[in-house]
Amino acid sequence: DGGITQSPKYLFRKEGQNVTLSCEQNLNHDAMYWYRQDPGQGLRLIYYSQIVNDFQKGDIAEGYSVSREKKESFPLTVTSAQKNPTAFYLCASSSGQGARAFFGQGTRLTVV
Amino acid sequence: GENVEQHPSTLSVQEGDSAVIKCTYSDSASNYFPWYKQELGKGPQLIIDIRSNVGEKKDQRIAVTLNKTAKHFSLHITETQPEDSAVYFCAAWNYGQNFVFGPGTRLSVLP
Repeated sequence: DGGITQSPKYLFRKEGQNVTLSCEQNLNHDAMYWYRQDPGQGLRLIYYSQIVNDFQKGDIAEGYSVSREKKESFPLTVTSAQKNPTAFYLCASSSGQGARAFFGQGTRLTVV
Repeated sequence: GENVEQHPSTLSVQEGDSAVIKCTYSDSASNYFPWYKQELGKGPQLIIDIRSNVGEKKDQRIAVTLNKTAKHFSLHITETQPEDSAVYFCAAWNYGQNFVFGPGTRLSVLP
């Protein structure tokens, strides 16, 4: 079954803790993206990676970190420096620049 | 950088009627325009897309039109059904900007 898998679906975090969201794809896509979605709002780009071992900051990278050690994996760490981390996080992938992008089912992170 | 506006923010139609959602973009270098449908609690699903060398594209009840001169593109849904109810996002892509999304339109199809 091909696609993008995000886990977990729901995540609760205490203030001051780091937490890592998983994103795995088996589409053989080179590019992967992380977006943040707040209630009633659009998607804002956190980080993106066009190729393994390389990634770039998006519009709202502060308080987040990523790695791209394998083509199929692009984990996102929400650090304690992120002041308002409660949101819906979406991972996407595409075969390259300007190619169709497909999304995972998202992870809803709540800080308690 | 690129800015994408989307209207209306909410849209209610009767089942069987048509729905039209419009987006405008600011960067003339943008050359790829996808539309996504997002159901509650799920990730966005790509439903149709268009590239800048094409003026119109149709897939069954869904169509997209692009006016490069005016820098706007529209989603048209005909014969709407209750399962079309969702939030729809447009996006524009260009090299160096990646995807820039509109704020979304909540479509309600009333039975």
